[in-house]
Amino acid sequence: AAGVIQSPRHLIKEKRETATLKCYPIPRHDTVYWYQQGPGQDPQFLISFYEKMQSDKGSIPDRFSAQQFSDYHSELNMSSLELGDSALYFCASSLGRGVEAFFGQGTRLTVV
Amino acid sequence: EDQVTQSPEALRLQEGESSSLNCSYTVSGLRGLFWYRQDPGKGPEFLFTLYSAGEEKEKERLKATLTKKESFLHITAPKPEDSATYLCAVQASTGFQKLVFGTGTRLLVSP
Repeated sequence: AAGVIQSPRHLIKEKRETATLKCYPIPRHDTVYWYQQGPGQDPQFLISFYEKMQSDKGSIPDRFSAQQFSDYHSELNMSSLELGDSALYFCASSLGRGVEAFFGQGTRLTVV
Repeated sequence: EDQVTQSPEALRLQEGESSSLNCSYTVSGLRGLFWYRQDPGKGPEFLFTLYSAGEEKEKERLKATLTKKESFLHITAPKPEDSATYLCAVQASTGFQKLVFGTGTRLLVSP
């Protein structure tokens, strides 16, 4: 069965650089979520989209932005990267809201 | 504020030694409680969704139960391949989208 696809799987950036993470949801899923997971921590909700509109917002820094495109894929744009942004970034998708979300394998971002 | 607390933080079992993981939660109206399994460096893998107190769901050696204040993940006769971090998350009826996760229970099953 098709799963959530994230790219790239690994990314190394320097401080103050920008990064773009991509997420391709499970086919026919209309809701996308972004989570950040630091080492040894639980996933923290960043932002979500339903039918290409932002639907919920969590602890996402102002330096980050995201959008969902017409084909339902989503991109997380991160600017002025800081060392503390180093983490695993997960995308999840669901069919509708308020139901189980399925996670991708994540993008490991390392800021040096 | 919605909160999820999982215990124990870590659990070491012998193969075949059954046990339970606990997830206590406070939420402003529960839409759903979710259990995920996460292997190191990988994304959380969906296991169960529970919606109302008294509900139970089973999958192989795992059984999840729900009360008004907590959920249990029972592991019967675990095998080494069950070793992973088990995450509990709640979804509030007001926020209706984001999942609030606990910090997880790291399970190690020794042969």
